[in-house]
Amino acid sequence: GAVVSQHPSRVICKSGTSVKIECRSLDFQATTMFWYRQFPKKSLMLMATSNEGSKATYEQGVEKDKFLINHASLTLSTLTVTSAHPEDSSFYICSARDRTGGYGYTFGSGTRLTVV
Amino acid sequence: QKEVEQNSGPLSVPEGAIASLNCTYSDRGSQSFFWYRQYSGKSPELIMSIYSNGDKEDGRFTAQLNKASQYVSLLIRDSQPSDSATYLCAASNEKLTFGTGTRLTIIP
Repeated sequence: GAVVSQHPSRVICKSGTSVKIECRSLDFQATTMFWYRQFPKKSLMLMATSNEGSKATYEQGVEKDKFLINHASLTLSTLTVTSAHPEDSSFYICSARDRTGGYGYTFGSGTRLTVV
Repeated sequence: QKEVEQNSGPLSVPEGAIASLNCTYSDRGSQSFFWYRQYSGKSPELIMSIYSNGDKEDGRFTAQLNKASQYVSLLIRDSQPSDSATYLCAASNEKLTFGTGTRLTIIP
């Protein structure tokens, strides 16, 4: 089945630094990738939608200059949290949709970001 | 605001009984619906997807969809302790919108 690989699974960084999270579709081409954030005991909140070769579409309230998304190929999307602060600490999850269509969304394993 | 509503629980069900999870959605343009299971600290895992009105069964799981009532449900038969998790309902209209999740505990 479709597999999405997300790295790193866990990262701790100092306040003010930047962190890059990678999301790769291993056995399919992902036209669209989605980035979610989940705070403890809360549901997944969509941050942005990225389409290969074009700019990402950000949800209301999400700072595009802080959360940089790049979807340079059909198999790779990255999320960079710039100038991270403790309030950015969260569980970040990517999801990819198969280019062949259908309704399937495959999720990565998530990245636990802790900013100290 | 397109929303998906779930009872946050917690819902406690004895082992072997039927667990019933419910969800309503506000966007009538939603075309497909999903139930995900999420263990603490882990990514969501797809349990069921449903696109048409009626029931869809897969093993111990049955999803029900009623588009007129904008209602989706998930039944888990013969509940097992390993079913204890948070269950997320999601509706899709080009992108997924998740509910807040229902925390289910199966009591041995």
